[in-house]
Amino acid sequence: GEDVEQSLFLSVREGDSSVINCTYTDSSSTYLYWYKQEPGAGLQLLTYIFSNMDMKQDQRLTVLLNKKDKHLSLRIADTQTGDSAIYFCAESRDFGNEKLTFGTGTRLTIIP
Amino acid sequence: DAGVTQSPTHLIKTRGQQVTLRCSPKSGHDTVSWYQQALGQGPQFIFQYYEEEERQRGNFPDRFSGHQFPNYSSELNVNALLLGDSALYLCASSPWDSYGYTFGSGTRLTVV
Repeated sequence: GEDVEQSLFLSVREGDSSVINCTYTDSSSTYLYWYKQEPGAGLQLLTYIFSNMDMKQDQRLTVLLNKKDKHLSLRIADTQTGDSAIYFCAESRDFGNEKLTFGTGTRLTIIP
Repeated sequence: DAGVTQSPTHLIKTRGQQVTLRCSPKSGHDTVSWYQQALGQGPQFIFQYYEEEERQRGNFPDRFSGHQFPNYSSELNVNALLLGDSALYLCASSPWDSYGYTFGSGTRLTVV
């Protein structure tokens, strides 16, 4: 079945890099996503990666995918206080309207 | 341009009651998906509606039902409420033929 796992908490000093990790079990996962959820808000898509890619960079965000180990990571460079949020890893078998399977989320806390 | 609008924002119901949650999709979107997010968990897919029909369904009992109207808005109905139904219910809209999930801020349902 589908399962997506993440560590629950991460604390990082302001200005350092944050690395949030995720593992998934579904070998049919084709697209992998990172979402951000701030208090009282819905989910905001940060970035996604197709399973035939190893890396994707978008400004301060870098996504690394190890398909063999089914491991996904999100690196946030120069972490700021505004990055405090819960970050969810998600997967789907197709793009478009396939249902998303989410991890439990990682709460990122920034230390001033 | 309004995004996804959900109502109400908060709701308290008693065990055994029935509840209806509402969602207006983002302009230009014709597909609506519903997710349940229990406290401290990632969102779980409930079902998806397109052309007023349920297209995909997650692992939720028949107590959970939905509807989509000709204007693409949608309702989620839950019958015979249980304490375990307490959660944040997220609506996401998208175009059927491409990716573009936009999440609403959710309805916080508390069952007492």
